[in-house]
Amino acid sequence: QKEVEQNSGPLSVPEGAIASLNCTYSDRGSQSFFWYRQYSGKSPELIMSIYSNGDKEDGRFTAQLNKASQYVSLLIRDSQPSDSATYLCASRSQAGGTSYGKLTFGQGTILTVHP
Amino acid sequence: DADVTQTPRNRITKTGKRIMLECSQTKGHDRMYWYRQDPGLGLRLIYYSFDVKDINKGEISDGYSVSRQAQAKFSLSLESAIPNQTALYFCATSESGWSQYFGPGTRLTVT
Repeated sequence: QKEVEQNSGPLSVPEGAIASLNCTYSDRGSQSFFWYRQYSGKSPELIMSIYSNGDKEDGRFTAQLNKASQYVSLLIRDSQPSDSATYLCASRSQAGGTSYGKLTFGQGTILTVHP
Repeated sequence: DADVTQTPRNRITKTGKRIMLECSQTKGHDRMYWYRQDPGLGLRLIYYSFDVKDINKGEISDGYSVSRQAQAKFSLSLESAIPNQTALYFCATSESGWSQYFGPGTRLTVT
């Protein structure tokens, strides 16, 4: 079983709509979560990190974390064509020793925002 | 200048050849990572290093080796390249396990 699962997509939304990207994780010890955006042929770029239950907002992006349900989501409000990319969810291991700090990535969700 | 650089950016090589991918960083981070990315599989960790004297295997280390020559340099080697190692390779850095920052990637094709 993969440790981090993302909704498979691809996801297509109209310009101006809210895009909702979801992620579940299996390691209850994970405490920190990250969303990366990756444009085609480019490297992943960190856009949000979240460590506590609840919502964290940054501009048009809102990350949501529910540790009891082992669920992380990213909402993109007022979606723009420039938001079209692959979004990667990652969890950070809190295990001790050499595993501490490792990131485990989901397979990514392709988002397309059409005009 | 970019904080994390990778060389080469593109490489085509033949089966059985030895190849080295290099990563350098100016961020001063202690931790460095090598990932490969294949379509539909996300990013998979090959090796990681917490400092010059510390090297650890990731989930897919077979067929790869690494060298941490200095805090700022981390190299990935394929001793005898095979076609299923064709992929996009990324180096990343982080400060003591916090957010990871990625280099631009190396597209490797093994024919």
